[in-house]
Amino acid sequence: AQKVTQAQTEISVVEKEDVTLDCVYETRDTTYYLFWYKQPPSGELVFLIRRNSFDEQNEISGRYSWNFQKSTSSFNFTITASQVVDSAVYFCALSEADRDDKIIFGKGTRLHILP
Amino acid sequence: DVKVTQSSRYLVKRTGEKVFLECVQDMDHENMFWYRQDPGLGLRLIYFSYDVKMKEKGDIPEGYSVSREKKERFSLILESASTNQTSMYLCASSDRDSGTGEQYFGPGTRLTVT
Repeated sequence: AQKVTQAQTEISVVEKEDVTLDCVYETRDTTYYLFWYKQPPSGELVFLIRRNSFDEQNEISGRYSWNFQKSTSSFNFTITASQVVDSAVYFCALSEADRDDKIIFGKGTRLHILP
Repeated sequence: DVKVTQSSRYLVKRTGEKVFLECVQDMDHENMFWYRQDPGLGLRLIYFSYDVKMKEKGDIPEGYSVSREKKERFSLILESASTNQTSMYLCASSDRDSGTGEQYFGPGTRLTVT
């Protein structure tokens, strides 16, 4: 069965600290995609990254980085030198390419960056 | 840029009313989705559509129906609104040919049923 678990419901850190959001997934497929979305207070989900199951290279985009490890079925997201604008709900998600176009979302982690 | 728009950001309706939530996308995507988002429950899929006039139930279809008469428009209908349908409703679309499943979201409609 497909499942995405974000064990951290809510995290608070002080501005400029680094923070890692955890994501663990379950799937029986060998071909799948993983995503992170950001939902700021305005409400719209904003796409951050997509990773396919054959590409385990870590990705860095500015202050954001992602660590994909198939061995532990994890796709963790780190924000370096956090800023108040990073405050949002972050969703990890999984889609299985061989099935259909549905995405399975985790329950989200609410991140508070305190000034 | 993909644009997904929803007819209202905020909506207040009375119990028993029929409610229409409209979603329009401008990227010719085949797939469209309706989710509801509640605290602690994340995003739950209500219905999705692979093409015009085609629809499939998601995880929580009870109390809802949908309509897709045109490719760009996907409507969510609450036949008789109830207070437990107070929620944030999110519409999304995706390109079936992309093979990735990546979805593009609208800004959401916060519905309150009193």
